[in-house]
Amino acid sequence: GNSVTQMEGPVTLSEEAFLTINCTYTATGYPSLFWYVQYPGEGLQLLLKATKADDKGSNKGFEATYRKETTSFHLEKGSVQVSDSAVYFCALTKGQAGTALIFGKGTTLSVSS
Amino acid sequence: SQTIHQWPATLVQPVGSPLSLECTVEGTSNPNLYWYRQAAGRGLQLLFYSVGIGQISSEVPQNLSASRPQDRQFILSSKKLLLSDSGFYLCAWRPPGGRETQYFGPGTRLLVL
Repeated sequence: GNSVTQMEGPVTLSEEAFLTINCTYTATGYPSLFWYVQYPGEGLQLLLKATKADDKGSNKGFEATYRKETTSFHLEKGSVQVSDSAVYFCALTKGQAGTALIFGKGTTLSVSS
Repeated sequence: SQTIHQWPATLVQPVGSPLSLECTVEGTSNPNLYWYRQAAGRGLQLLFYSVGIGQISSEVPQNLSASRPQDRQFILSSKKLLLSDSGFYLCAWRPPGGRETQYFGPGTRLLVL
């Protein structure tokens, strides 16, 4: 079946460090892929997405490239800030109308100054 | 533009009491609607989804129920709350179709004592 696997957290970094959060997926067909971010006490916000192979989604300095050959959608940022501290969720579509996105378990990022 | 509302924002209820959480979406028609629960420090659990008025699909067996009395209204209910029902409840909507982005509300934090 379709699934998303994220690296276990928490990830603890110093400000201005490089960030990578790994995400791999299992899916039939060609899903769309998403990264969501959840700040403390809030709902999830869409961070970026990619809808086909080799697409790169980007937003707020974050990037992720849809790699079909490795079934991956790793999230990267060159220089993290304290304000990036949050939980990050990788997700994919089943591609079927009505069904919800399939989410990974989330990775907590903590950035210290 | 589309917006999604949830209320109440926070709720403290005794075990055995009833529950009603409301979610409404503005600025769109015929959205797909979803209820998730997020227990402390854990990932998202899909509870229910709906593709139209009166159409509810349940993802997990539990003492919760959902209803969609209007196109843009989604209600989560329980007749008798359990301690294990505590958590962060998130409503989400998505345009009809298989590859669209899903948008989340601000969430309701429920504590059952």
